[in-house]
Amino acid sequence: EVKLVESGGGLLKPGGSLKLSCVASGFTFSNYWMHWVRQAPGKGLEWIGEIEYDGTETNYAPSIKDRFTISRDNAKNTLYLQMSSVRSEDTATYFCTTLEAWGQGASVTVSS
Amino acid sequence: DVVLTQTPPTLSATIGQSVSISCRSSQSLLHSNGNTYLNWLLQRPGQPPQLLIYLVSRLESGVPNRFSGSGSGTDFTLKISGVEAEDLGVYYCVQSTHAPPTFGGGTKLELK
Repeated sequence: EVKLVESGGGLLKPGGSLKLSCVASGFTFSNYWMHWVRQAPGKGLEWIGEIEYDGTETNYAPSIKDRFTISRDNAKNTLYLQMSSVRSEDTATYFCTTLEAWGQGASVTVSS
Repeated sequence: DVVLTQTPPTLSATIGQSVSISCRSSQSLLHSNGNTYLNWLLQRPGQPPQLLIYLVSRLESGVPNRFSGSGSGTDFTLKISGVEAEDLGVYYCVQSTHAPPTFGGGTKLELK
């Protein structure tokens, strides 16, 4: 069974940092580009970034570029999202996904 | 970026009714490798998105065959042949033919 499990969400203040993790199982993790997609409360899905199979290439949406970093550890079947300089508009549920399989999401709230 | 326009934004249906959702792309989603990377997702209330259809018309394992996808180029359709109560939620189309991946705005399926 394909499974993606995010962790690390929480409440943080504007300007703060947080690191999300996503552990994959049930498929060959290193064979897939992995993506982070977020969903603000009551809104649609927003792609925020992706990472190539071995981590050598990453691409980001303009809304988070230079503030968030995506990385992966294929030995641990784990995807990461390092969030820095967060803003209130970063409040959302963050999903890791292959664009076919989806995790349950990690909730991030940015508030003073 | 590719813009996906979903219509209608809201759909009211009775149980057993057949309905269709349209997803139109701002450019052709036919990849140079011959595949068309257009998926359909369902997000039930409080749940993460789940894959229904991939590559335009291929039914994901475990998804009921009342769901079907069709289309080519820039015009795509998701059809539900006989809505059931468990089908209620928000439907999204997503393309990954062109970078970055993009999502339609969603279609909310409600009970009439």
